[in-house]
Amino acid sequence: DAGVTQSPTHLIKTRGQQVTLRCSPKSGHDTVSWYQQALGQGPQFIFQYYEEEERQRGNFPDRFSGHQFPNYSSELNVNALLLGDSALYLCASSLGRGGKFFGPGTRLTVL
Amino acid sequence: GEDVEQSLFLSVREGDSSVINCTYTDSSSTYLYWYKQEPGAGLQLLTYIFSNMDMKQDQRLTVLLNKKDKHLSLRIADTQTGDSAIYFCAETGGNNNDMRFGAGTRLTVKP
Repeated sequence: DAGVTQSPTHLIKTRGQQVTLRCSPKSGHDTVSWYQQALGQGPQFIFQYYEEEERQRGNFPDRFSGHQFPNYSSELNVNALLLGDSALYLCASSLGRGGKFFGPGTRLTVL
Repeated sequence: GEDVEQSLFLSVREGDSSVINCTYTDSSSTYLYWYKQEPGAGLQLLTYIFSNMDMKQDQRLTVLLNKKDKHLSLRIADTQTGDSAIYFCAETGGNNNDMRFGAGTRLTVKP
């Protein structure tokens, strides 16, 4: 079992650009959640996808959008990047509302 | 809004017990979690407890929950240098969709 995988591991972008991050859930999991972890802080909930729909959203602007595919994998898109978007982006998968297992994260740096 | 609070630092000697404390404010919390994060890595699920339980033990880990005081603790017995990491307390609300994290406790284990 590969667990939760994320790509890429690191990414450098400039302000105003757009970025797409990818996540494959743990085998057997159908729910994907995305979190943003700024340096020195705990993760902040962005949104959760289940059955290809956004089920719940945290306090993030519309620049943050996502998608879930029929195979349960997911993408996180961020438009019009700001310096403050620099963070570790974590994907977590679960079976329904069960325990959430996290991937290694994608480190995004915005210059 | 709902908050999760943790002390930021804890230092112990190898072989001693470590106790990491957490308080939360959401009385509708259904699940409470402890995650471990090592440098440059994602979050590793250590254990979780349902809100209708008051204790859970798993090998060297003991979780205590005082629901009345909204206080959660993680005790690590016989702490080893490999336990050095940041430990996050997290809780979910009644729908268990989003997860709210504390800022993390940095545990340092001295030989």
